[in-house]
Amino acid sequence: QKEVEQNSGPLSVPEGAIASLNCTYSDRVSQSFFWYRQYSGKSPELIMSIYSNGDKEDGRFTAQLNKASQYVSLLIRDSQPSDSATYLCAVNNDMRFGAGTRLTVKP
Amino acid sequence: DAGVIQSPRHEVTEMGQEVTLRCKPISGHNSLFWYRQTMMRGLELLIYFNNNVPIDDSGMPEDRFSAKMPNASFSTLKIQPSEPRDSAVYFCASSTTKAFFGQGTRLTVV
Repeated sequence: QKEVEQNSGPLSVPEGAIASLNCTYSDRVSQSFFWYRQYSGKSPELIMSIYSNGDKEDGRFTAQLNKASQYVSLLIRDSQPSDSATYLCAVNNDMRFGAGTRLTVKP
Repeated sequence: DAGVIQSPRHEVTEMGQEVTLRCKPISGHNSLFWYRQTMMRGLELLIYFNNNVPIDDSGMPEDRFSAKMPNASFSTLKIQPSEPRDSAVYFCASSTTKAFFGQGTRLTVV
């Protein structure tokens, strides 16, 4: 069974800090990686996708991929209380998710 | 585009009854996924289809669950008979290269 694992959390950071979310995966030939954000009572929404080793930046979000080490991370700079949500990592086109990490940004 | 449309949004049913959840994917998307989400187990992939063909149903919990995709614009997830432990939020998602989720169906089996 292909597995996707995330740091268990919950993670709490002060407003303005950098939040770091991590995800590891077991399928060495994985090619596609996604980060979703899910607010309480809502459906997951896609915030980042990454396919190549290295960093990909989109506004305050940076996804980092290291295929050799089989991990993908999400950095949120200048964290805001509105970033408080559960962040889910998904791998490959079969879209299996990790358990998610609950992030709380405290004002 | 209206996005992925799921119905009903909420379903309350008695144990032993049949439940059918419906999903209309985004037009042009060739993959469709069904998920179940609970506090204890997180977001579990139940089954996914590619071009209307079931590719992996290893996440379907037991024979009481079945899913169909008769055409590119419609899919159903059926539970028969339903049990209280089936209570969860069920999501449908569709994709080409990136997956987009419907609003979910909150199922309560009493």
